[in-house]
Amino acid sequence: ELKVEQNPLFLSMQEGKNYTIYCNYSTTSDRLYWYRQDPGKSLESLFVLLSNGAVKQEGRLMASLDTKARLSTLHITAAVHDLSATYFCAVGETSGSRLTFGEGTQLTVNP
Amino acid sequence: DADVTQTPRNRITKTGKRIMLECSQTKGHDRMYWYRQDPGLGLRLIYYSFDVKDINKGEISDGYSVSRQAQAKFSLSLESAIPNQTALYFCATSDFLAGGPVDYNEQFFGPGTRLTVL
Repeated sequence: ELKVEQNPLFLSMQEGKNYTIYCNYSTTSDRLYWYRQDPGKSLESLFVLLSNGAVKQEGRLMASLDTKARLSTLHITAAVHDLSATYFCAVGETSGSRLTFGEGTQLTVNP
Repeated sequence: DADVTQTPRNRITKTGKRIMLECSQTKGHDRMYWYRQDPGLGLRLIYYSFDVKDINKGEISDGYSVSRQAQAKFSLSLESAIPNQTALYFCATSDFLAGGPVDYNEQFFGPGTRLTVL
């Protein structure tokens, strides 16, 4: 059974600071997805990572995938308040049919 | 604009009642999914469907049933609602895509239905 763990689950940080959210998973996969959820809203796709060493960046967010370590990271650079949200990673089964989600990391960026 | 819609957006019901949550999409995707979200537990898959004739159970299907009426419509039913089914329910769609050497399955989510069972 595929298990996906994120840490931290709660993150409070100051504007301008850097931080990393970690996503560990238990079985082999090279498909990793990051989503953002604002309070009371739906999930929005941020990144799709499809191979070992994949790195994608959008604004102040950068995601990477290390399939050998079964680890993905979401790095936040110079955080701003607008990044406050819950971030989920999801791992795709090797058959590509299902996603297993992590518990989510609730990020709060304080002025 | 291509989209995933869910009805109702909010629903309060009583224990033992039958309710149906509906999902429609205009993305033209073949695959549709139902998830529930509970605080601290992420999203858990209830049922999924790869086409009209293909329905599969997810990790938490007990107490739920689904119907795929058409490619664009996927409904979730609670035959006899109970309080621990109080949650936020999401429908999602995907189009299994070939992305170079690796196929992938990016999912797109509807706005959610907040269900409360009293």
